[in-house]
Amino acid sequence: AQSVSQHNHHVILSEAASLELGCNYSYGGTVNLFWYVQYPGQHLQLLLKYFSGDPLVKGIKGFEAEFIKSKFSFNLRKPSVQWSDTAEYFCAVNPHTGTASKLTFGTGTRLQVTL
Amino acid sequence: AAGVIQSPRHLIKEKRETATLKCYPIPRHDTVYWYQQGPGQDPQFLISFYEKMQSDKGSIPDRFSAQQFSDYHSELNMSSLELGDSALYFCASSSGGRRHEQYFGPGTRLTVT
Repeated sequence: AQSVSQHNHHVILSEAASLELGCNYSYGGTVNLFWYVQYPGQHLQLLLKYFSGDPLVKGIKGFEAEFIKSKFSFNLRKPSVQWSDTAEYFCAVNPHTGTASKLTFGTGTRLQVTL
Repeated sequence: AAGVIQSPRHLIKEKRETATLKCYPIPRHDTVYWYQQGPGQDPQFLISFYEKMQSDKGSIPDRFSAQQFSDYHSELNMSSLELGDSALYFCASSSGGRRHEQYFGPGTRLTVT
């Protein structure tokens, strides 16, 4: 079974600061990797995804993530955060095999951006 | 673009009552997933359906059942509700295949009193 760890539970940044949220996974095979964002009171929205190929993936709203296979990591980055980025961020994985593969989520990182 | 539709958005039930949550996937998506998110927690997988057949089962209580219908919509039936069932229930859909991403609906907030 796969598992996901997000080490930062609560991050507070000032506007324009750079962001990096850690995500590590555990699984014996190939995985698909995702970052989802959940704004207060809203549903999960897909920020970006990695299936294969270039390990540096770019998503919406200026976010990017880098897959480092040797470290089983998929960290999320943004050069300059905005107040509107205040939200909960979830890293998720599913096996790169078969169909209808459930997502396993990390415990989430709450990002608070101050003005 | 069309998104995943869930109904109702809010539901208040008493202990031991039953509840039915509905999910309408994005058009042409053949796979539906149900997740439960408790307060301050990450979403936990309950069950999924692919082409109207159950494809995977997670930590879903025996009191819960679900199915996917011929039009691909899905219903989650919850009986003998307990206080601990209070949570946000998300439905997600995907188009199947190995490189599928899941798109989430707005969720149904269930409160059991």
